[in-house]
Amino acid sequence: AQSVTQLDSQVPVFEEAPVELRCNYSSSVSVYLFWYVQYPNQGLQLLLKYLSGSTLVESINGFEAEFNKSQTSFHLRKPSVHISDTAEYFCAVATNYGGSQGNLIFGKGTKLSVKP
Amino acid sequence: ETGVTQTPRHLVMGMTNKKSLKCEQHLGHNAMYWYKQSAKKPLELMFVYNFKEQTENNSVPSRFSPECPNSSHLFLHLHTLQPEDSALYLCASSQEFQETQYFGPGTRLLVL
Repeated sequence: AQSVTQLDSQVPVFEEAPVELRCNYSSSVSVYLFWYVQYPNQGLQLLLKYLSGSTLVESINGFEAEFNKSQTSFHLRKPSVHISDTAEYFCAVATNYGGSQGNLIFGKGTKLSVKP
Repeated sequence: ETGVTQTPRHLVMGMTNKKSLKCEQHLGHNAMYWYKQSAKKPLELMFVYNFKEQTENNSVPSRFSPECPNSSHLFLHLHTLQPEDSALYLCASSQEFQETQYFGPGTRLLVL
Protein backbone atom coordinates (compact mmCIF):
# COMPACT_ATOMS: atom_id res chain seq x y z
CA ALA A 1 0.00 0.00 0.00
CA GLN A 2 1.11 3.51 -0.70
CA SER A 3 1.51 6.22 1.92
CA VAL A 4 2.56 9.84 2.03
CA THR A 5 4.36 11.53 4.90
CA GLN A 6 4.58 15.26 5.33
CA LEU A 7 6.92 15.62 8.25
CA ASP A 8 6.07 19.20 9.14
CA SER A 9 2.52 20.08 10.11
CA GLN A 10 3.36 23.79 10.33
CA VAL A 11 6.13 25.88 8.76
CA PRO A 12 6.44 29.55 9.76
CA VAL A 13 8.74 31.72 7.65
CA PHE A 14 9.36 35.38 7.07
CA GLU A 15 8.46 37.06 3.81
CA GLU A 16 11.13 36.77 1.09
CA ALA A 17 12.80 33.86 2.87
CA PRO A 18 13.23 30.51 1.12
CA VAL A 19 11.05 27.59 2.11
CA GLU A 20 11.04 23.83 1.68
CA LEU A 21 8.03 21.66 2.44
CA ARG A 22 8.98 18.04 2.76
CA CYS A 23 7.14 15.08 1.32
CA ASN A 24 8.17 11.44 1.40
CA TYR A 25 6.22 8.54 0.01
CA SER A 26 6.33 4.80 0.16
CA SER A 27 5.37 2.61 -2.76
CA SER A 28 6.59 -0.60 -4.31
CA VAL A 29 5.61 0.51 -7.82
CA SER A 30 6.07 3.56 -9.98
CA VAL A 31 4.35 6.66 -8.71
CA TYR A 32 2.92 9.91 -9.93
CA LEU A 33 3.27 12.82 -7.55
CA PHE A 34 1.26 15.95 -6.92
CA TRP A 35 1.27 19.05 -4.77
CA TYR A 36 -2.04 20.74 -4.05
CA VAL A 37 -2.54 24.05 -2.23
CA GLN A 38 -5.54 25.02 -0.15
CA TYR A 39 -6.03 28.69 0.63
CA PRO A 40 -8.25 29.59 3.60
CA ASN A 41 -11.90 28.72 3.05
CA GLN A 42 -11.22 27.30 -0.40
CA GLY A 43 -10.90 23.91 -2.02
CA LEU A 44 -7.68 22.31 -3.19
CA GLN A 45 -5.91 23.67 -6.26
CA LEU A 46 -3.33 21.71 -8.21
CA LEU A 47 0.05 23.39 -7.81
CA LEU A 48 2.28 21.05 -9.81
CA LYS A 49 2.66 17.42 -10.73
CA TYR A 50 5.25 14.88 -11.77
CA LEU A 51 4.13 12.21 -14.22
CA SER A 52 7.28 11.42 -16.19
CA GLY A 53 10.27 13.08 -17.82
CA SER A 54 12.23 15.79 -16.06
CA THR A 55 12.35 15.22 -12.34
CA LEU A 56 12.19 18.95 -11.66
CA VAL A 57 8.72 20.44 -12.12
CA GLU A 58 7.69 24.04 -11.69
CA SER A 59 4.51 25.96 -11.04
CA ILE A 60 3.54 29.32 -12.48
CA ASN A 61 3.90 31.10 -9.13
CA GLY A 62 7.52 30.21 -8.44
CA PHE A 63 7.24 26.89 -6.64
CA GLU A 64 9.21 23.88 -7.77
CA ALA A 65 9.48 20.28 -6.68
CA GLU A 66 11.98 17.59 -7.49
CA PHE A 67 11.21 13.92 -7.73
CA ASN A 68 13.97 11.91 -6.07
CA LYS A 69 13.36 8.23 -6.60
CA SER A 70 16.26 7.00 -4.49
CA GLN A 71 15.10 9.05 -1.51
CA THR A 72 11.40 8.57 -2.30
CA SER A 73 10.86 12.27 -1.89
CA PHE A 74 9.05 15.08 -3.68
CA HIS A 75 9.93 18.19 -1.66
CA LEU A 76 8.36 21.52 -2.57
CA ARG A 77 10.56 24.62 -2.62
CA LYS A 78 10.31 28.31 -3.26
CA PRO A 79 13.35 30.65 -3.11
CA SER A 80 11.42 33.66 -1.85
CA VAL A 81 7.92 33.46 -0.37
CA HIS A 82 5.19 36.08 -0.27
CA ILE A 83 2.46 36.74 2.24
CA SER A 84 -0.01 35.42 -0.33
CA ASP A 85 1.66 31.99 -0.20
CA THR A 86 0.15 31.46 3.25
CA ALA A 87 -1.92 28.30 2.81
CA GLU A 88 -1.97 24.59 3.51
CA TYR A 89 -0.02 22.41 1.10
CA PHE A 90 -0.83 18.77 0.43
CA CYS A 91 1.40 16.21 -1.18
CA ALA A 92 -0.33 13.31 -2.94
CA VAL A 93 0.71 10.14 -4.74
CA ALA A 94 -1.00 7.92 -7.28
CA THR A 95 0.29 4.66 -8.64
CA ASN A 96 -1.63 4.34 -11.88
CA TYR A 97 -2.33 7.55 -13.75
CA GLY A 98 -5.29 7.23 -16.08
CA GLY A 99 -5.77 3.59 -15.17
CA SER A 100 -8.28 1.70 -13.14
CA GLN A 101 -6.28 1.44 -9.94
CA GLY A 102 -4.34 3.71 -7.71
CA ASN A 103 -6.40 6.49 -6.25
CA LEU A 104 -4.78 9.63 -4.97
CA ILE A 105 -3.33 9.18 -1.50
CA PHE A 106 -2.85 12.44 0.37
CA GLY A 107 -0.50 13.47 3.13
CA LYS A 108 -1.81 15.26 6.21
CA GLY A 109 -0.79 18.65 4.90
CA THR A 110 1.68 21.37 5.89
CA LYS A 111 0.46 24.78 6.92
CA LEU A 112 2.77 27.45 5.56
CA SER A 113 2.54 30.73 7.44
CA VAL A 114 4.40 33.66 5.91
CA LYS A 115 5.02 36.55 8.29
CA PRO A 116 5.96 40.12 7.30
CA GLU B 1 -11.79 28.39 -9.76
CA THR B 2 -15.45 28.24 -10.76
CA GLY B 3 -14.94 25.00 -12.71
CA VAL B 4 -16.28 22.92 -9.82
CA THR B 5 -18.98 24.40 -7.61
CA GLN B 6 -20.43 23.06 -4.40
CA THR B 7 -23.55 24.02 -2.49
CA PRO B 8 -24.18 24.78 0.22
CA ARG B 9 -20.84 26.13 1.41
CA HIS B 10 -21.82 25.69 5.06
CA LEU B 11 -24.35 23.34 6.64
CA VAL B 12 -25.41 22.71 10.21
CA MET B 13 -27.64 19.73 10.83
CA GLY B 14 -28.95 17.64 13.67
CA MET B 15 -28.36 13.94 13.89
CA THR B 16 -31.91 13.16 12.78
CA ASN B 17 -31.95 15.47 9.77
CA LYS B 18 -31.69 14.56 6.10
CA LYS B 19 -29.76 16.87 3.85
CA SER B 20 -27.95 16.74 0.51
CA LEU B 21 -24.71 18.22 -0.74
CA LYS B 22 -24.49 19.20 -4.38
CA CYS B 23 -21.50 19.33 -6.68
CA GLU B 24 -21.50 20.57 -10.26
CA GLN B 25 -18.59 20.64 -12.68
CA HIS B 26 -18.47 22.82 -15.75
CA LEU B 27 -15.32 21.29 -17.22
CA GLY B 28 -16.76 18.51 -19.35
CA HIS B 29 -15.10 15.89 -17.16
CA ASN B 30 -16.17 12.27 -16.97
CA ALA B 31 -15.12 11.34 -13.45
CA MET B 32 -16.23 12.83 -10.14
CA TYR B 33 -15.13 12.23 -6.56
CA TRP B 34 -16.23 12.88 -2.98
CA TYR B 35 -13.59 13.42 -0.30
CA LYS B 36 -13.83 14.02 3.44
CA GLN B 37 -11.34 16.40 5.05
CA SER B 38 -11.20 16.19 8.83
CA ALA B 39 -8.90 18.15 11.10
CA LYS B 40 -5.43 16.64 11.43
CA LYS B 41 -6.23 13.74 9.11
CA PRO B 42 -5.35 13.17 5.46
CA LEU B 43 -8.03 13.63 2.86
CA GLU B 44 -10.15 10.52 2.68
CA LEU B 45 -11.57 9.40 -0.62
CA MET B 46 -15.21 8.42 -0.17
CA PHE B 47 -16.73 7.72 -3.57
CA VAL B 48 -15.71 7.75 -7.21
CA TYR B 49 -17.98 7.93 -10.22
CA ASN B 50 -16.73 7.31 -13.73
CA PHE B 51 -19.19 8.01 -16.55
CA LYS B 52 -22.00 8.07 -13.96
CA GLU B 53 -21.11 4.62 -12.67
CA GLN B 54 -19.84 4.22 -9.13
CA THR B 55 -16.41 2.64 -9.27
CA GLU B 56 -15.31 3.05 -5.70
CA ASN B 57 -16.92 3.04 -2.28
CA ASN B 58 -14.15 3.39 0.23
CA SER B 59 -15.90 1.62 3.13
CA VAL B 60 -18.12 4.60 3.74
CA PRO B 61 -20.99 4.17 6.23
CA SER B 62 -24.42 3.81 4.68
CA ARG B 63 -25.58 7.09 6.25
CA PHE B 64 -23.74 8.66 3.30
CA SER B 65 -25.43 7.95 -0.01
CA PRO B 66 -24.01 9.30 -3.28
CA GLU B 67 -25.94 9.95 -6.45
CA CYS B 68 -24.62 10.83 -9.89
CA PRO B 69 -27.50 11.56 -12.29
CA ASN B 70 -25.16 12.70 -15.06
CA SER B 71 -21.47 13.34 -15.54
CA SER B 72 -21.81 17.00 -14.51
CA HIS B 73 -23.63 16.57 -11.21
CA LEU B 74 -22.83 14.66 -8.05
CA PHE B 75 -24.83 14.58 -4.85
CA LEU B 76 -24.09 13.31 -1.38
CA HIS B 77 -27.24 12.49 0.57
CA LEU B 78 -26.85 12.60 4.33
CA HIS B 79 -29.10 11.02 6.97
CA THR B 80 -28.76 10.24 10.66
CA LEU B 81 -25.21 11.54 10.79
CA GLN B 82 -22.98 11.51 13.85
CA PRO B 83 -21.01 14.41 15.33
CA GLU B 84 -17.78 12.79 14.12
CA ASP B 85 -19.04 13.26 10.57
CA SER B 86 -18.44 16.99 10.94
CA ALA B 87 -15.83 17.88 8.35
CA LEU B 88 -15.17 19.64 5.08
CA TYR B 89 -16.59 17.63 2.20
CA LEU B 90 -14.79 18.20 -1.06
CA CYS B 91 -15.91 17.33 -4.54
CA ALA B 92 -13.47 16.89 -7.39
CA SER B 93 -13.61 16.00 -11.06
CA SER B 94 -11.17 14.82 -13.68
CA GLN B 95 -11.26 14.47 -17.44
CA GLU B 96 -10.85 10.73 -17.23
CA PHE B 97 -10.74 8.45 -14.25
CA GLN B 98 -7.56 8.95 -12.23
CA GLU B 99 -6.31 11.90 -14.23
CA THR B 100 -5.56 15.25 -12.63
CA GLN B 101 -8.34 16.18 -10.25
CA TYR B 102 -9.84 19.65 -9.89
CA PHE B 103 -11.51 20.46 -6.60
CA GLY B 104 -14.49 22.51 -5.55
CA PRO B 105 -14.43 24.86 -2.55
CA GLY B 106 -16.06 22.32 -0.27
CA THR B 107 -19.03 22.20 2.06
CA ARG B 108 -18.25 22.76 5.73
CA LEU B 109 -20.58 20.41 7.62
CA LEU B 110 -21.30 20.57 11.34
CA VAL B 111 -23.39 17.83 12.90
CA LEU B 112 -24.87 18.68 16.27
